[in-house]
Order: sequence, then structure tokens, then C-alpha cells
Amino acid sequence: KNEVEQSPQNLTAQEGEFITINCSYSVGISALHWLQQHPGGGIVSLFMLSSGKKKHGRLIATINIQEKHSSLHITASHPRDSAVYICAAPMYSGGGADGLTFGKGTHLIIQP
Amino acid sequence: DTAVSQTPKYLVTQMGNDKSIKCEQNLGHDTMYWYKQDSKKFLKIMFSYNNKELIINETVPNRFSPKSPDKAHLNLHINSLELGDSAVYFCASSQPSVYGYTFGSGTRLTVV
Repeated sequence: KNEVEQSPQNLTAQEGEFITINCSYSVGISALHWLQQHPGGGIVSLFMLSSGKKKHGRLIATINIQEKHSSLHITASHPRDSAVYICAAPMYSGGGADGLTFGKGTHLIIQP
Repeated sequence: DTAVSQTPKYLVTQMGNDKSIKCEQNLGHDTMYWYKQDSKKFLKIMFSYNNKELIINETVPNRFSPKSPDKAHLNLHINSLELGDSAVYFCASSQPSVYGYTFGSGTRLTVV
């Protein structure tokens, strides 16, 4: 069964700073997920990636399958980026309908 | 049109009661899930269903019984509610070959 470790757990930064959140997992997988949850809100899927890098606006996600490691970067951070960011991987290496196992999340606060 | 909708959004009930949460997806996905988010915001899978068939039952007390009448619906029935059942319950769906996930907005269950 996969185990997902995420760091840091809490991060406070000033507006405009470059943000990095790290994630490592224990079992080889076909795809890793980054999710976002605003306070009191639902969960939004930001990225699903299986190799290399993906970019969406100011968000960039990278993955190194050999090292079982992924990072989420936010460029030119803004207070509206304040949220919990969660890394998730398939519970088992086969993925499919097994569901996700989650990191503990990174609580990000961007101060104006 | 909401992709994954779950009802109710809030549920306050007394210990010992039985309650249900409903979930419906209009994405045509084959797989649906129930996840539980505890007070520390940690997410954990409870059940997954693929085409109405139970795939994962992740050490959930048998007071929790999922029911999938068709692949677009996955309901969660909880018997004899306990204080520790208080949490946010998220329904989600995915297409295993694609692995992308869509989450419902969550049901905040409070047992008093």
C-alpha cells in the first residue's frame, strides 16, 4: 500500500514569493495528483501527472518517477492562493479503482 | 450542471440515529468513491465502487453501508451514529483508465 509524505505542513509567505511544496510516495505509480482545498470548501483537482512537468497559470507541478517525488510550485503567489494543497497517489501501484491515499496536506497562507 | 453532487451539505443528528448521504455523478465515470476527512483535515478512502461492484472497503465499521443502484449513484448509509463519525464526507468519481478525479462538495456530518 502506498504511503504519501508531504512537506511542509504549514507555510506562510509574502505575496509575490515563489512557493514549493514537496511530496514523496513509497510505491511506484502511474500518476500522481495535486489537489486544492479552500477553507470550508470542496476539493479541486489541480494536476494529474505521470511524468515531467505540467503548468496551469501560475501553478507548476513536476514529478520524478524514479525518485518517487513530486513538487508543486506557485509563482508570484497571491493571497487568493491561500488554501490547503494535498498530494495524492493511487493506493496500490495498479491504480484503477483502488482509490487514492493522501498526504497530510500543506496549509499555505499568503500574506498581502 | 454539477458534475458530482452530494446531499445534504450539512447534517446534524443525534447519537444512535441512522442517516444517509446521497451522491450522483453525471460524468459517465465508471468508478465512485467515498472519502472521509477528519477534524485534522486528513483524507482517507472508505469505499470504491466500479460499475456498481464494491472494489475497496478500507477497514470501515460495518455500520457504514454503501449502496450503488447504478454506476451514476453511490449512497452512504450510516447506522447507529457515534460521536466519532463527525467528519466531512466526500464523494468522488473517476474513470480508471484516465485516473482523473472529480470531487463532490462534501457533507459535513455532526453527531451530537
